[in-house]
Amino acid sequence: EDQVTQSPEALRLQEGESSSLNCSYTVSGLRGLFWYRQDPGKGPEFLFTLYSAGEEKEKERLKATLTKKESFLHITAPKPEDSATYLCAVRNGTDKLIFGTGTRLQVFP
Amino acid sequence: NAGVTQTPKFRILKIGQSMTLQCAQDMNHNYMYWYRQDPGMGLKLIYYSVGAGITDKGEVPNGYNVSRSTTEYFPLRLELAAPSQTSVYFCASSPSGGGTEAFFGQGTRLTVV
Repeated sequence: EDQVTQSPEALRLQEGESSSLNCSYTVSGLRGLFWYRQDPGKGPEFLFTLYSAGEEKEKERLKATLTKKESFLHITAPKPEDSATYLCAVRNGTDKLIFGTGTRLQVFP
Repeated sequence: NAGVTQTPKFRILKIGQSMTLQCAQDMNHNYMYWYRQDPGMGLKLIYYSVGAGITDKGEVPNGYNVSRSTTEYFPLRLELAAPSQTSVYFCASSPSGGGTEAFFGQGTRLTVV
């Protein structure tokens, strides 16, 4: 059964304190791994797509990496506006898009 | 483009009532998805569609039905609402499968009492 597990469930950081979020997955026929950001009361907003092991993508203070079993979202020198829930998802060989439970990030000034 | 539009935004249902959650997209996307999100949790896939006339079950399809007669619309039907269906429902669309990203609506908050 395809599965996506994210850790930690919640993360509190001081402004400027870098950290990483983890997404481990088991999937039949990975067609893409996705990272989304979700603010309270809103729909998820797309951040990155990763296709193959070794791939990396960057956007401002965020960097996503992918191995054969997991993905990391690295946050460098976060700011309070980076506070949100970060969701990881995989698309499998039958095109189901399956999400993990998310990591709730809080960044304090 | 309006993107993905969901209606209504909020709804309160009584146990046993039925309703249809509407989802429309104006991006000519072939793929559409329905998810539910319980408080503090991730998204659970209910149903999805890879094109008009084609639908398939996701992780939690029981208690729901869908249809997809056109590319633009993908309504979700709740029959005999139960308290366990209290949740926030999100509709999403993507151009195709593979690595194409999905675009989400703003959600429908449903309470069953």
